[in-house]
Amino acid sequence: AQRVTQPEKLLSVFKGAPVELKCNYSYSGSPELFWYVQYSRQRLQLLLRHISRESIKGFTADLNKGETSFHLKKPFAQEEDSAMYYCALSGSWGKLQFGAGTQVVVTP
Amino acid sequence: GAGVSQSPSNKVTEKGKDVELRCDPISGHTALYWYRQSLGQGLEFLIYFQGNSAPDKSGLPSDRFSAERTGGSVSTLTIQRTQQEDSAVYLCASSSGTGGLFQYFGAGTRLSVL
Repeated sequence: AQRVTQPEKLLSVFKGAPVELKCNYSYSGSPELFWYVQYSRQRLQLLLRHISRESIKGFTADLNKGETSFHLKKPFAQEEDSAMYYCALSGSWGKLQFGAGTQVVVTP
Repeated sequence: GAGVSQSPSNKVTEKGKDVELRCDPISGHTALYWYRQSLGQGLEFLIYFQGNSAPDKSGLPSDRFSAERTGGSVSTLTIQRTQQEDSAVYLCASSSGTGGLFQYFGAGTRLSVL
C-alpha cells in the first residue's frame, strides 16, 4: 500500500537556522513526489517536484530511493517560510496522497 | 480564468441536509480532482475526473458522496444527508494532464455541519 509519512507535526526554528522537513514514503513502483505549501489564508500550492530537481525559494528536496525519503531542506530559514508543508506522492492517474503535514514556525 | 474557482467559500448546514459544492477548473484543464482537508484525517483524495473517462471514485468515503463533471469543465460534489463528520474543507484541483504534474488548487469550500 502506498503511504506518505511526515513524522513532525510542528517544527519551530529560528530565522537564519537550517530547516529540514522529513518525508518518507512507501510505494511499489517509481514514485512521483512533491512538496506542497499552504501559507496562512492562502490556497495550497506546489513548491517542488522531484522530477525537476530545482530549488524554489531556497528549498531543495532529493529523492532517496534507498531510504524511501524525500526530505525538504533549506539552509537559512526566513520568517516568510512559516507555513504548513505537505509531502505528496502521485500514484495512478495523478491523484495525490498527502502526508499529515508539518507546520513550520520561523521565529525572529 | 485566473485559477481554480470554488463556491461557496463557506457553507453552514444542518445535519441531514444535502449540500452541493461547485468547482470551476482552469480553462482547458482535462483533469479535475476533489480532496478533503479535515483536522482528523489530513488531506484525502476523494474523486478524479480525466476527460471523458469514467471517474475514479475510489476515495469517496460513503455512498452519500457523489460528484459529476458536466461538459468536461465544471464539477459539482454533492453530499447527501450530511453528518457532522463531513465538516471539512473541500478542495478542488485541476491539471492539464495525468501524472499529478502541476495540480492547481482552489481556495476550498469550508463546510460546517451543525
